[in-house]
Order: sequence, then C-alpha cells, then structure tokens
Amino acid sequence: ETGVTQSPTHLIKTRGQQVTLRCSSQSGHNTVSWYQQALGQGPQFIFQYYREEENGRGNFPPRFSGLQFPNYSSELNVNALELDDSALYLCASSLPGPIGYNEQFFGPGTRLTVL
Amino acid sequence: DAKTTQPPSMDCAEGRAANLPCNHSTISGNEYVYWYRQIHSQGPQYIIHGLKNNETNEMASLIITEDRKSSTLILPHATLRDTAVYYCIVRADTGTASKLTFGTGTRLQVTL
Repeated sequence: ETGVTQSPTHLIKTRGQQVTLRCSSQSGHNTVSWYQQALGQGPQFIFQYYREEENGRGNFPPRFSGLQFPNYSSELNVNALELDDSALYLCASSLPGPIGYNEQFFGPGTRLTVL
Repeated sequence: DAKTTQPPSMDCAEGRAANLPCNHSTISGNEYVYWYRQIHSQGPQYIIHGLKNNETNEMASLIITEDRKSSTLILPHATLRDTAVYYCIVRADTGTASKLTFGTGTRLQVTL
C-alpha cells in the first residue's frame, strides 16, 4: 500500500509568482484535503476535493485554488504569492464515510518559502 | 467544531506513562474526540479517536470523562520517538466534509 506523497519537498519563490504543489493520495482514497501550516502553528484547513469537485473550503482567498484528477491525485495552486504564504503545505487523503472510516492520512508536506 | 484547550508543553521520562490532557467543554453530542501527533518536519499522524467510551489501540489509550468535557491521551510507555506535538481535535461527523481543526497542541518532550 503506497502512502501519501507530495512534490516538491522544498520550493523557493518570489513575491507575486505562482506555484503549483502536487499530491498523490493513498491507494484507494478518493478524498484529498489540503492544509497550510505556518511556523509554530497547527495546520489550517484550506479545502477538500472529493470526486474531482471542491467539497468544503476554509478561510483562504480565491488565489488558493485546486484540482483533483480522475486518479484522485491533486494540485494546490497559489497565485500572486505573498510573504505570508511561506509555510508547510500538507496534503491528506481519506475515504468518505462515517467517522471511524474516514481517518486522514497525511503526506510529508511541501515547504514553500516566499522571498 | 468545538474548541479545545491543551497545555503548551509537557515532559515525560522514557519508560513512564505520558498523560496528555485536553479540555473541550463545548463539545456537542455528535462530536468525536480525535488525537493526532506531528513529529518534527513530518505530516500529522492519526493516533486514536472516540465518542463516549474509552478507547485503546496499539499506540495509545483515550480516556473521555463521563460529561465528555475533557479527555486524556495516555502513552503507556513513552519512548524518545514519542517526542512530538500532540493535537486534540473535536470533530462532527459531516460525511465527506471531514476537515480537521487543529489548535497549537501540546509539545511532549520525552527524556532519558
């Protein structure tokens, strides 16, 4: 069973640029969630994708967008990067269903630095 | 989702039990208590969850008070590898919209 993988592991961008982060979900998982974790803070929910559609969104501006593909892999896109976007971006996959069956499995994250 | 309160840090000697408390006084009847941990620079790892009854698995035990306003995660024999930030999360069963609301957690330091 393959776990959640993310790429790249590290990324450096400058303010105003755009970035795309990628996530491959755990085998058989059709739900992907993205989180942003600033230094010293807990992860904050960005949005979730289920069957290629956005299915819940946190308090993030529209310049944070995503995609989910038929193989359940996912992308997080951030436009017009700001310094405060510097963070660890985490992807988590799960199965939909009642609690106890939709435990989220996290990837190792992508560390984004905006200069 | 209900708010949780955890101590910012705790220490535990290796081989001893680590007891991590969590307050969730506004928890609703349909909300579960989840625990995750995050070892430095890794993604969070699921530990255990429960609704009303105490739960145990190969990693830990979860003790939930009868009024459900607080809970304790117990690592029975802490090792150095258990050094991590532990997050207590309260979450309702909303089907596919299964977001997790993390606080700042408890930083557990296991020492020799």
